[in-house]
Amino acid sequence: DAGVIQSPRHEVTEMGQEVTLRCKPISGHDYLFWYRQTMMRGLELLIYFNNNVPIDDSGMPEDRFSAKMPNASFSTLKIQPSEPRDSAVYFCASSSGTGPYGYTFGSGTRLTVV
Amino acid sequence: GESVGLHLPTLSVQEGDNSIINCAYSNSASDYFIWYKQESGKGPQFIIDIRSNMDKRQGQRVTVLLNKTVKHLSLQIAATQPGDSAVYFCAENINAQKLVFGQGTRLTINP
Repeated sequence: DAGVIQSPRHEVTEMGQEVTLRCKPISGHDYLFWYRQTMMRGLELLIYFNNNVPIDDSGMPEDRFSAKMPNASFSTLKIQPSEPRDSAVYFCASSSGTGPYGYTFGSGTRLTVV
Repeated sequence: GESVGLHLPTLSVQEGDNSIINCAYSNSASDYFIWYKQESGKGPQFIIDIRSNMDKRQGQRVTVLLNKTVKHLSLQIAATQPGDSAVYFCAENINAQKLVFGQGTRLTINP
């Protein structure tokens, strides 16, 4: 199994531009999570899905952030418009319905907004 | 740009010594805890977990201790090796699937 795959690994964009981060979860996992990691706030859960349906988006910072999961093998996290304070590493993780012990993280996307 | 954030707590140990990393959790209703290891440029990686009905669990070179009375969790790494250098996070399971992560501790190994 290739694990959780995220793309791109690095993204540098100008303030005001739209940014789209992508994630392919582990096949058979029915939970998908988006986390953001910064030195200031550590690892924060942004949103998670179960069977492609958003369950908890209370961690999404503001309306500029949106996430979708059109099918079981793909999810996107979009920021529009991006701001310098969005600079962080964004992780996707997936797990099976048997519990969080199946949590597997991707390698992350390092986003820099200048 | 991003504001300067807090520095992670750091633990420095000699190669071959045992390491103990501590974590305080917040929710007395949490029933499941996990330790993760994060190496530079990588995502967090599962190390070991423990349920709230246990107070100790052992893996290969690692032991997790849980003290529910004071809401404290620790990770013990035996015979620390250079490859153990990383940031270690504890995480608590708040509800069925949601994990909340601690701040993290940076472990450095001195040769």
